[in-house]
Amino acid sequence: KQEVTQIPAALSVPEGENLVLNCSFTDSAIYNLQWFRQDPGKGLTSLLLIQSSQREQTSGRLNASLDKSSGRSTLYIAASQPGDSATYLCAVNIATGYALNFGKGTSLLVTP
Amino acid sequence: SAVISQKPSRDICQRGTSLTIQCQVDSQVTMMFWYRQQPGQSLTLIATANQGSEATYESGFVIDKFPISRPNLTFSTLTVSNMSPEDSSIYLCSVARRNEQFFGPGTRLTVL
Repeated sequence: KQEVTQIPAALSVPEGENLVLNCSFTDSAIYNLQWFRQDPGKGLTSLLLIQSSQREQTSGRLNASLDKSSGRSTLYIAASQPGDSATYLCAVNIATGYALNFGKGTSLLVTP
Repeated sequence: SAVISQKPSRDICQRGTSLTIQCQVDSQVTMMFWYRQQPGQSLTLIATANQGSEATYESGFVIDKFPISRPNLTFSTLTVSNMSPEDSSIYLCSVARRNEQFFGPGTRLTVL
């Protein structure tokens, strides 16, 4: 069974810092990987989708990388802002149309 | 992307009662997924709902407790039956579109 682990579980940084969130998965036979953001008590917002054949994806200040062979992904957030405070979830998909396997998330707090 | 709505957004229910959660998608999709997120935890898949067939439940979830309907390609319901305080969670529906998964805003359920 695919296990997804996210490190760290929580992170607090001052505004303006660049930061990296880590995600690892046990079975490298994935179809794609998604990063989500979840604000307290809310649903999930898709941030980035990386197909298994891709190495990275970028959206604004966010950059996600994927090393499928080693079972790792990172989410890089540049110039962090207080509005980035949320829980960030990593999820992998074994095939199109299948449900996602989620990590437990990294709770990020960016202080002014 | 996909626009997904859920009703109700939140509810407080008494032990032993049942609640039906509705999920509406802006266009037709083959599969819909129902997830549960217990307090402080990540998302766990409850079941996959296909139109015209019985839902497929994950280990630990049974149809008698979580009956699902999928009457057409844009709508699904999840019922949480005979509720106990342990059912207090956020319940989310999601759909897959072009290899990416999108989530509804969630239903926050509190059982007293």
